[in-house]
Amino acid sequence: EAAVTQSPRSKVAVTGGKVTLSCHQTNNHDYMYWYRQDTGHGLRLIHYSYVADSTEKGDIPDGYKASRPSQENFSLILELASLSQTAVYFCASSDTGGGAETLYFGSGTRLTVL
Amino acid sequence: GDQVEQSPSALSLHEGTGSALRCNFTTTMRAVQWFQQNSRGSLINLFYLASGTKENGRLKSTFNSKESYSTLHIRDAQLEDSGTYFCAAEGVDTNAYKVIFGKGTHLHVLP
Repeated sequence: EAAVTQSPRSKVAVTGGKVTLSCHQTNNHDYMYWYRQDTGHGLRLIHYSYVADSTEKGDIPDGYKASRPSQENFSLILELASLSQTAVYFCASSDTGGGAETLYFGSGTRLTVL
Repeated sequence: GDQVEQSPSALSLHEGTGSALRCNFTTTMRAVQWFQQNSRGSLINLFYLASGTKENGRLKSTFNSKESYSTLHIRDAQLEDSGTYFCAAEGVDTNAYKVIFGKGTHLHVLP
C-alpha cells in the first residue's frame, strides 16, 4: 500500500511569516506533487517534481516555493504567508507521471493564516 | 470555462439506493481518475481508467474518451459512502503530470 505522510496535520501562521509543509513518501515513486484545496475549486497543482533536486511549477505557483532534497521528501515553502493562502494542502506521489499511474495522496495539512 | 465539469454538485441518497455521478470534459482526455474524499478529508483512490469500464464492489466507472465523459455509478449506497467525489483527468495535449480536477460532487447518504 502506497504511503504518503504529511506534517504538520494543521498549522496556524501569521501573515508575513514563513511556513514549511513537509511530505514524505515510502513508495519509491519518482513524481511528487503539491496541491491546494479551496472550497468550490477542487484541487489545484502548485508545484511538482519528477527527480530529486529539481522542481517544476504547476498551475498556481505564485507565492510558493518547493524543495525536493531526496526522492522521498518534498517540501512546500511559503516565504511570506498571506491570508489568501489559507487552504488545505495535499501532497501526492505517483510512480512515473507517465499517465499509467494513479495519484496517492497524503492526509492533508490544514493551514490557517491570520 | 472549466475543462472538467462534474455533476451534480450535490446529491442525497437513501441507503440501499444508487445513482450516477458524471464528469464531462471540454477537451480530449486520455485518462481519468476518481477519488473519494471522506469525512476525515482523506483522498482515496477509487479508479484509474484509460478507457472502458472498471468495477469494484458497489462501484463502477466508465470512461468514454471519444464522447468526452466519465461516470461513476454507486449502487446499494451505504452511510460510509458519504463524502465528496472528485474526478481528475489527464489531457492528451499536456504533460502527463497535468491532472485536472473537477469541483466535486458532495454525496450524502441518508439512513
